[in-house]
Amino acid sequence: GQQLNQSPQSMFIQEGEDVSMNCTSSSIFNTWLWYKQDPGEGPVLLIALYKAGELTSNGRLTAQFGITRKDSFLNISASIPSDVGIYFCAGQAISGNTPLVFGKGTRLSVIA
Amino acid sequence: ETGVTQTPRHLVMGMTNKKSLKCEQHLGHNAMYWYKQSAKKPLELMFVYSLEERVENNSVPSRFSPECPNSSHLFLHLHTLQPEDSALYLCASSQPGLGPTEQFFGPGTRLTVL
Repeated sequence: GQQLNQSPQSMFIQEGEDVSMNCTSSSIFNTWLWYKQDPGEGPVLLIALYKAGELTSNGRLTAQFGITRKDSFLNISASIPSDVGIYFCAGQAISGNTPLVFGKGTRLSVIA
Repeated sequence: ETGVTQTPRHLVMGMTNKKSLKCEQHLGHNAMYWYKQSAKKPLELMFVYSLEERVENNSVPSRFSPECPNSSHLFLHLHTLQPEDSALYLCASSQPGLGPTEQFFGPGTRLTVL
């Protein structure tokens, strides 16, 4: 089945630093989604990408849909303590009712 | 209430118990999902309901039994579970159409099987 490779698995950064994480796939996706999950909560959608090459921002977060349609990255600028959590990428191969495929997540820790 | 709600938030049960997890979505969506989230594993899709009909069942053991009485409610009935079934169970909903699909998640039920 389809798999997403998400890296890094975890990262520790100083408050104020920028963060970058990415997801790669062996197959093409038509949609990339980035979620954040806080402890004890469900994932919350951060950014949705629908077109190859698309670059979308949501506050300090920026995500891009790779040109090859097999990868996506998420950047967080000027990190703050509340950025702590697990970030998941998810891809959808065909639009509509096909299942999302999730990465294993990147656990982000921010040191104040 | 807004979004997707799940009850209970925490559940501890023995292997011989029968319990049910409940999910309710207030977004007007017509598709609902059950996922299992275990430590260090990707989210595992368990069941998908679209317009109250089950459209996907990812080889889930029969000790998990879903029920979708209407487009706003989804249940997961649990019976004779095993300790390895302990996990966070997440419900999600979406509004599928011709375009891309964004799923919105509930807060999850943390299940512990003793």
